[in-house]
Amino acid sequence: RKEVEQDPGPFNVPEGATVAFNCTYSNSASQSFFWYRQDCRKEPKLLMSVYSSGNEDGRFTAQLNRASQYISLLIRDSKLSDSATYLCVVNIGSGTYKYIFGTGIRLKVLA
Amino acid sequence: GAVVSQHPSRVICKSGTSVKIECRSLDFQATTMFWYRQFPKQSLMLMATSNEGSKATYEQGVEKDKFLINHASLTLSTLTVTSAHPEDSSFYICSASYTGSGAGYTFGSGTRLTVV
Repeated sequence: RKEVEQDPGPFNVPEGATVAFNCTYSNSASQSFFWYRQDCRKEPKLLMSVYSSGNEDGRFTAQLNRASQYISLLIRDSKLSDSATYLCVVNIGSGTYKYIFGTGIRLKVLA
Repeated sequence: GAVVSQHPSRVICKSGTSVKIECRSLDFQATTMFWYRQFPKQSLMLMATSNEGSKATYEQGVEKDKFLINHASLTLSTLTVTSAHPEDSSFYICSASYTGSGAGYTFGSGTRLTVV
């Protein structure tokens, strides 16, 4: 099993739709989780940290399910500008700075 | 805050030559920086962890003699691709961890290396 797995998509959704992504991780000791956004040929940029209690930032909601070892990202009311690749990032164990990136989920929001 | 400046953004070099990529943390001290490589349509793969004042730690399968990393100060880490070959053509990105609000990683803007 890969350390971090994502369904690469692509996900093509109409503008205004709600879309959800999951990302599974294999190391139960992982403590830090993030979602990054990467536009084509650009560097990844932090979208959200993922907290145990879940967190919301505008149209974006991130959640952590420790029992099933996955994190999720929900995007409501999709905009054309949301089209990008979304990467989940997980540290490989407790107290380590080493992070593993998922392969990324490609989202395309269609007009 | 938490800005990492990476140069050059794009470089084309001849096979057999060496290329140096610089990453500077502009407004914080980065005791640890990370170097990633991203091939087309693939994810970021960690190449090495660079620690200020000590030797870098390389991931399995990454040749330390080919990818030389120097982290001589708290604000500068460099990656030198020695004797570059076309298969080294890739997108190289550095990052550094930071604390505070929204703590996580901040990335350099990336360097697209093309070896011809």
